[in-house]
Amino acid sequence: KQEVTQIPAALSVPEGENLVLNCSFTDSAIYNLQWFRQDPGKGLTSLLLIQSSQREQTSGRLNASLDKSSGRSTLYIAASQPGDSATYLCAVGTGFQKLVFGTGTRLLVSP
Amino acid sequence: DADVTQTPRNRITKTGKRIMLECSQTKGHDRMYWYRQDPGLGLRLIYYSFDVKDINKGEISDGYSVSRQAQAKFSLSLESAIPNQTALYFCAKRGQLENQPQHFGDGTRLSIL
Repeated sequence: KQEVTQIPAALSVPEGENLVLNCSFTDSAIYNLQWFRQDPGKGLTSLLLIQSSQREQTSGRLNASLDKSSGRSTLYIAASQPGDSATYLCAVGTGFQKLVFGTGTRLLVSP
Repeated sequence: DADVTQTPRNRITKTGKRIMLECSQTKGHDRMYWYRQDPGLGLRLIYYSFDVKDINKGEISDGYSVSRQAQAKFSLSLESAIPNQTALYFCAKRGQLENQPQHFGDGTRLSIL
């Protein structure tokens, strides 16, 4: 059974710092990996999707990497801003296009 | 995601009541999903559907049922609600291709007393 773990569970940084969020998964037989952002009282917003054949994806200040063999993905946020404060969720795409989610990293960026 | 609409946004009800959560989507995507989110447990898949009349159980389907009445609508029902079904419920959709992400609605916060 696929299990997804995110470390740390919470992170507090001052504005402007570069930071890395970690995601690990137990079964390397994945179709893709997706990073989401969740704001309080809102749904999930898709940030980046990495196919199993890819090593990384970039969107603006965000860069996600994937190492299937080691069962790891990282989300790099450059020059963090208070507006980046949210919970970040990692989800692994398995058979039949289902997602298995981690429990998230709650990020607080202070001005 | 504005393309996925969930109703109601909040619901408080009593144990034993029947409840239906509605989800509708624009753009005619085939794949639709229902998840629940609990503190410390992340999101878990309840049911999913690849087309009208196609229904598949997810990780935690016991106590729930779904109906895919049309391409755009996917409803989740709790036939006899119990307190441990108190959670945040999300509906999601995606297209057929593997490189397409899932897009989520804003969720329904359900409390069962």
